[in-house]
Order: sequence, then C-alpha cells, then structure tokens
Amino acid sequence: DTGVSQDPRHKITKRGQNVTFRCDPISEHNRLYWYRQTLGQGPEFLTYFQNEAQLEKSRLLSDRFSAERPKGSFSTLEIQRTEQGDSAMYLCASSLVGTAINTGELFFGEGSRLTVL
Amino acid sequence: QQQVKQSPQSLIVQKGGISIINCAYENTAFDYFPWYQQFPGKGPALLIAIRPDVSEKKEGRFTISFNKSAKQFSLHIMDSQPGDSATYFCLVISNFGNEKLTFGTGTRLTIIP
Repeated sequence: DTGVSQDPRHKITKRGQNVTFRCDPISEHNRLYWYRQTLGQGPEFLTYFQNEAQLEKSRLLSDRFSAERPKGSFSTLEIQRTEQGDSAMYLCASSLVGTAINTGELFFGEGSRLTVL
Repeated sequence: QQQVKQSPQSLIVQKGGISIINCAYENTAFDYFPWYQQFPGKGPALLIAIRPDVSEKKEGRFTISFNKSAKQFSLHIMDSQPGDSATYFCLVISNFGNEKLTFGTGTRLTIIP
C-alpha cells in the first residue's frame, strides 16, 4: 500500500496521559499536514511541514501539542497531558509542493481516533 | 482565520434525485475550490475541483458551479445513488504567503431508495 498511513488507528487514554501519533506520507511527498476532526465538523488545520521544516502552526495547537518531521519523511504528533476536549480524529495528509494549489488534492490517511476518558 | 460556510448541514435525497451542496467564502483571493468526499472511518478524498477562472466543471454525475461575484460555489450530484451517501466538504485554498487550506463544516448526504 503506497498511500498515507497512520498509527495507531485508535487510542484510548486517561486524562493527563501523553499520546503520540505517527504519520507515514506517500514517499515522494514533501508536504505533510496535520488536521483535527471532531464529530460533525470539517477537518481543522493544525500544522504543516515542508520536508523537515514546520512552516505554520494553528492557534489551535496549544503548547501541549508538538509535531515533528525529523528527516522529512514520517511525522509524529504528540499531545501531552491529554484533556477530554482533545478527543477527536487526527488526520494526516501529504502532497507535493504546489500540488494543492494546482490540483486541489491532498492525500489523507484514515486517521487516528483519540478517546480521552 | 478564513470563514468557509457550508450548507446544508445534512441532506436527504431520493435515489435518482439531484443533491446540491453550497459553500460561501469571505472576501479573499483563493486559488482552488475542491470538494472532498468522506466515508465513515476513512479520510477525506478529492472528488472534483475547479479554478476560479472557470464557472462550471463537470465530471460524470458530479458538477461544480462557481459564482465569483457571489463568492459561492456548489456541488451538484445528478442521479444520486446510495453509494453517494457520505459526508462532503468544500475546501478553499489560498496562496497568500504560505498555502492556507480551510475546510467547510461538512454536509452529511443520505440517499434513500
């Protein structure tokens, strides 16, 4: 499978615990995006990378959230001291630079669903 | 933060009917207007997209209509089928500085027999 893969698909944790999600983009894609989606809402932008550089972070990304893409390939999204309001689907998408502008296409993974008890 | 208003929130259409979903955006230059389709448990996937210099684009049963003066664009699904039952999102893409990609709030479409 050469699509975007995310792991784990589902994570249940207790409030206050730390969680980490991993995203493996399509291999040649240099852009990588993280979105958060709650039930009945559209995906909300969190952050995006071009290669290993984090180019933009949303105000939604509080200091408990951190994302990395150390070698410009896979990315991790860590949430520290989780809160019940963090329960959501975390989506990763990838593209080539300029593709989104020229074709409107991002390739999404199936998401990592977080449930904070 | 750019506002993208999508309507309706949910839509029920009979099989064979026309499904229409609308998006309105604020006064900003956008470069592309895609529609995404999402099935339960899956990530969104590109369905069809239009550039602002084109007023309409058709691909099979799916058509995007774009009204630049009204700052609106819509998705029409002709001959709607049960397999079209999904959630649909519009996306606006701006090339101000860094690319900004803003999704609409989504429309849950249900096609009934």
